[in-house]
Amino acid sequence: SQQGEEDPQALSIQEGENATMNCSYKTSINNLQWYRQNSGRGLVHLILIRSNEREKHSGRLRVTLDTSKKSSSLLITASRAADTASYFCATDYYGNNRLAFGKGNQVVVIP
Amino acid sequence: NAGVMQNPRHLVRRRGQEARLRCSPMKGHSHVYWYRQLPEEGLKFMVYLQKENIIDESGMPKERFSAEFPKEGPSILRIQQVVRGDSAAYFCASSPPSGGPGAQHFGDGTRLSIL
Repeated sequence: SQQGEEDPQALSIQEGENATMNCSYKTSINNLQWYRQNSGRGLVHLILIRSNEREKHSGRLRVTLDTSKKSSSLLITASRAADTASYFCATDYYGNNRLAFGKGNQVVVIP
Repeated sequence: NAGVMQNPRHLVRRRGQEARLRCSPMKGHSHVYWYRQLPEEGLKFMVYLQKENIIDESGMPKERFSAEFPKEGPSILRIQQVVRGDSAAYFCASSPPSGGPGAQHFGDGTRLSIL
C-alpha cells in the first residue's frame, strides 16, 4: 500500500499568512520527510523528522509528527510568493531511501 | 557542483516507439533511483540501482520497462513499444553510498509525451 498519503489539497493564501498541510501514513516508519516541487522542476528536500521526534523546526518551517495517529503536518509561517509550489510528504517505506510519496498539496501564495 | 542531470527534459514519442531517458547522478553518488509521476499524483518508486547492479525493481512494470546503470556513463531508463499510459514525468534521484535518510537529490525530470 502507498505510504505517505496526504489528502490532496489545494490551498490559496495571502502573502504573510501561514499555510498548514497534513499527511497520513499507514505503517510504522523510521522517519518522514517533506519535499517541495516547483512547477516543472524536481523535488527539493525540505525537512526530515524521525519517528522519535514530535516536532522539528527549520527556518519558517515547522513539522509535527504524531506516530499514534500516523500523521504529520507541515506549517509554513509568514508565507511568501516564492513558497508557491506543491508539497509532498514521503516515508522510507521500502528502506534504503526508496521513498513512498503522497499525492501532494498545492499551495498558491498570492502577493 | 552539478546536480542530478536528466535528459532530455521533454521527449515526444509515437505509440510503439522506444523511449530512452538518461540520468547522470551527482558527483560521488553511486546510488540511483527512478520514479514516475502521473499528472496530479505523487511520485511512485520504480527501480533502485547501484553501479552495474539492479538492487530493487519491484516498482517497474513487468514488461517493456528496463533500467541500467553501467560502470561508465549515465543510468538509462528504457521503455519499449510505448503506449499512451506511459505519458508521465520520470524523475531520477541519486545518493552517496553512505547516504542516510534525506540524502537523495532529485533531477528536474523528463516529461514523456506519447502521441
